[in-house]
Amino acid sequence: NAGVTQTPKFQVLKTGQSMTLQCAQDMNHEYMSWYRQDPGMGLRLIHYSVGAGITDQGEVPNGYNVSRSTTEDFPLRLLSAAPSQTSVYFCASTTTSNQETQYFGPGTRLLVL
Amino acid sequence: AQTVTQSQPEMSVQEAETVTLSCTYDTSESNYYLFWYKQPPSRQMILVIRQEAYKQQNATENRFSVNFQKAAKSFSLKISDSQLGDTAMYFCAFSGGSNYKLTFGKGTLLTVNP
Repeated sequence: NAGVTQTPKFQVLKTGQSMTLQCAQDMNHEYMSWYRQDPGMGLRLIHYSVGAGITDQGEVPNGYNVSRSTTEDFPLRLLSAAPSQTSVYFCASTTTSNQETQYFGPGTRLLVL
Repeated sequence: AQTVTQSQPEMSVQEAETVTLSCTYDTSESNYYLFWYKQPPSRQMILVIRQEAYKQQNATENRFSVNFQKAAKSFSLKISDSQLGDTAMYFCAFSGGSNYKLTFGKGTLLTVNP
């Protein structure tokens, strides 16, 4: 049971490049989400999904796309990276029977030059 | 919209002593959950303790306990017998209703000194 996994751990992009941050969980959790962490800002919700085929926006969705084709995977796509997207990204998951405790992946550090 | 406020950006404590981290929140929800997460230098987000709003009894997990004051919308974390491994950023978080979205405070950096 690996829990929540994220790849890559670290990535450097140039402005305008695209990339996908991968997130997978093996706990059969219905709910998955993406957060970004910036210094002095705590974690802020980007997008979330309550099940396969269902996604919705969080607090800071601009510049990011998501899809959920399977229960296990929830990738986050940056179509045209900007320096403002330099951050640490966390994926999290939970199940409705877990009293809303969310389990986090190890994070992806992204640097956009 | 919910808000979570942590008014102490940094705190320090001597090893073996007790420290309390403050958190206040604002919500119109009647059913919600409150959490404290620990983030050590490894960056991993680790759940420390969880409190259900409908429970009057304060949650406790070993050396960690909370003081949940629902009317005051306050949710402080007490760490007893502080250890060097407790050095980390601590985040207070709120989840309301059934939407599972977490709203985080900005964090408190706790340093435990030997």
